[in-house]
Amino acid sequence: QQPVQSPQAVILREGEDAVINCSSSKALYSVHWYRQKHGEAPVFLMILLKGGEQKGHEKISASFNEKKQQSSLYLTASQLSYSGTYFCGTETHSSASKIIFGSGTRLSIRP
Amino acid sequence: NAGVTQTPKFRVLKTGQSMTLLCAQDMNHEYMYWYRQDPGMGLRLIHYSVGEGTTAKGEVPDGYNVSRLKKQNFLLGLESAAPSQTSVYFCASSPLAGGYNEQFFGPGTRLTVL
Repeated sequence: QQPVQSPQAVILREGEDAVINCSSSKALYSVHWYRQKHGEAPVFLMILLKGGEQKGHEKISASFNEKKQQSSLYLTASQLSYSGTYFCGTETHSSASKIIFGSGTRLSIRP
Repeated sequence: NAGVTQTPKFRVLKTGQSMTLLCAQDMNHEYMYWYRQDPGMGLRLIHYSVGEGTTAKGEVPDGYNVSRLKKQNFLLGLESAAPSQTSVYFCASSPLAGGYNEQFFGPGTRLTVL
């Protein structure tokens, strides 16, 4: 089943923060985060494997709450380059290797 | 390294025609995937392969067939194209499943079925 992302879209001014959530109805083995610019292929940001794990990438970080079956992506002091659509992808214990993506969160950054 | 490449980049088909999309990777990855992307729907998994000679169904496999005769290539076939198959198709590969194994995506193929 497809994970649910929220919000569907967010508009920020440069320098503001944002949080994107990803939740699943199934127990998760891992959560992947990707960003896609318009007209381009998705690009890898990070993978979270263990419950409670947190990772960072520049000013973008993420957490994974295994018990709640959800992950959150945190964008701090957003830059114009952060604009794009963010996707979470999830693997479950029963079907590792099969990554199912959410419908995406469109992030727009204004100067 | 070229990474993941897709052929063709664009294609227009008439309803009922057939075609094959080719995905090639030069990273010796075991796993390969085909996704389709429609506006507002995100990336939906069509079929995937966990190794040479093996394939498995994803979320939306109907109307598509795949083959992985060589480790580096993953082919997606449409036997009788329908307008509902108009989409952008992405191929991806990863070294292994699970764990900290990112997917590497190709540039995409934009397919229009009239």
